[in-house]
Amino acid sequence: SAVISQKPSRDICQRGTSLTIQCQVDSQVTMMFWYRQQPGQSLTLIATANQGSEATYESGFVIDKFPISRPNLTFSTLTVSNMSPEDSSIYLCSVKTSGTDTQYFGPGTRLTVL
Amino acid sequence: AQKVTQAQTEISVVEKEDVTLDCVYETRDTTYYLFWYKQPPSGELVFLIRRNSFDEQNEISGRYSWNFQKSTSSFNFTITASQVVDSAVYFCALTGAGSYQLTFGKGTKLSVIP
Repeated sequence: SAVISQKPSRDICQRGTSLTIQCQVDSQVTMMFWYRQQPGQSLTLIATANQGSEATYESGFVIDKFPISRPNLTFSTLTVSNMSPEDSSIYLCSVKTSGTDTQYFGPGTRLTVL
Repeated sequence: AQKVTQAQTEISVVEKEDVTLDCVYETRDTTYYLFWYKQPPSGELVFLIRRNSFDEQNEISGRYSWNFQKSTSSFNFTITASQVVDSAVYFCALTGAGSYQLTFGKGTKLSVIP
């Protein structure tokens, strides 16, 4: 399976600011995804990061709030914009390679918004 | 629509006891995949197993075993001789063949007491 890293691993931010989370994979992957896990909850898919084009967002998530980039097949960023305490969550990226239906997850970014 | 139910919110066992985590799913897909992930306190999501819908053989990996029963739409996970390191939240998940959408259960928090 691919080795996935995320930066930062955790951060504490002030409301109204923005944070960009990076996801780096050690090999080219077909698909990359971003998930949010609110405290004590399950995972919710935010969007699919598409290489070279706009991300595909799930219901309830919008590009203005969660802009995503994927400039190549091994890297993606998720920005959490104009943060509020409700954005305090773990944000995880996942990847899926061609020929498999398994998603592998990065170590997550634990975000606290004050 | 797909649905995954993990009825057990929290389980506590004493070290060396066996424990079974339940997972019941709903799907209209004829071909689908079931997964178990482990999320230790550090927050990362660790892939444990993938099971195809057309393969009902049970699987054993060390102290872990999985019981897949299509007739009852269940995919239960048993840890034998539990250890403190098994303490984590365990998620069951489901996806249809060819789909990128992973549907997660709400998770079961397992605490193994020394």
